[in-house]
Amino acid sequence: GAVVSQHPSWVICKSGTSVKIECRSLDFQATTMFWYRQFPKQSLMLMATSNEGSKATYEQGVEKDKFLINHASLTLSTLTVTSAHPEDSSFYICSARDPLNSPLHFGNGTRLTVT
Amino acid sequence: SQQGEEDPQALSIQEGENATMNCSYKTSINNLQWYRQNSGRGLVHLILIRSNEREKHSGRLRVTLDTSKKSSSLLITASRAADTASYFCATQGAGSYQLTFGKGTKLSVIP
Repeated sequence: GAVVSQHPSWVICKSGTSVKIECRSLDFQATTMFWYRQFPKQSLMLMATSNEGSKATYEQGVEKDKFLINHASLTLSTLTVTSAHPEDSSFYICSARDPLNSPLHFGNGTRLTVT
Repeated sequence: SQQGEEDPQALSIQEGENATMNCSYKTSINNLQWYRQNSGRGLVHLILIRSNEREKHSGRLRVTLDTSKKSSSLLITASRAADTASYFCATQGAGSYQLTFGKGTKLSVIP
């Protein structure tokens, strides 16, 4: 079955630094990928929709200059948390849409801790 | 924005018992999906039910959908300790690939 690989699984960084999270579709071409954020014991909140070759569409309240999304190829989307602060600590999950199959396929998530 | 609301928020049952989780939503949908999430992990798709379907089965899972009440239920029969996880419903609107997730139900199955 389709697999989405997300890397890294967890990362600890210092406040003020930037962190890049990768989301790859391993056996299908994903024209659309989604980035979610999940706080402890809460649901997934959609941050942005990433379309290959075009700018990402951000949800209301999500700072596009802070959460940079790049979808440069049909198999890779990246989320960069710039100038991270402790309040950015969260679980970030990507999902990818396989045009030939539904439903969406999810990565295993990245636990970000900003100290 | 969040649309689905699950209840209960948490559920603890003995192994072998059935677990029922409910989900309500607010706007019209194309389909509703249920996902499972083990602690600190990604989501695993369980089942999808389309807006014109009323009931669907997959192994020990049974999902119902009542579009008039904008609600769905997930029944896990003969639960196992390995079913311990959080379960989320997610709705998908017509013409959209986005999923809107509910708050989830944390299920604990006690051996």
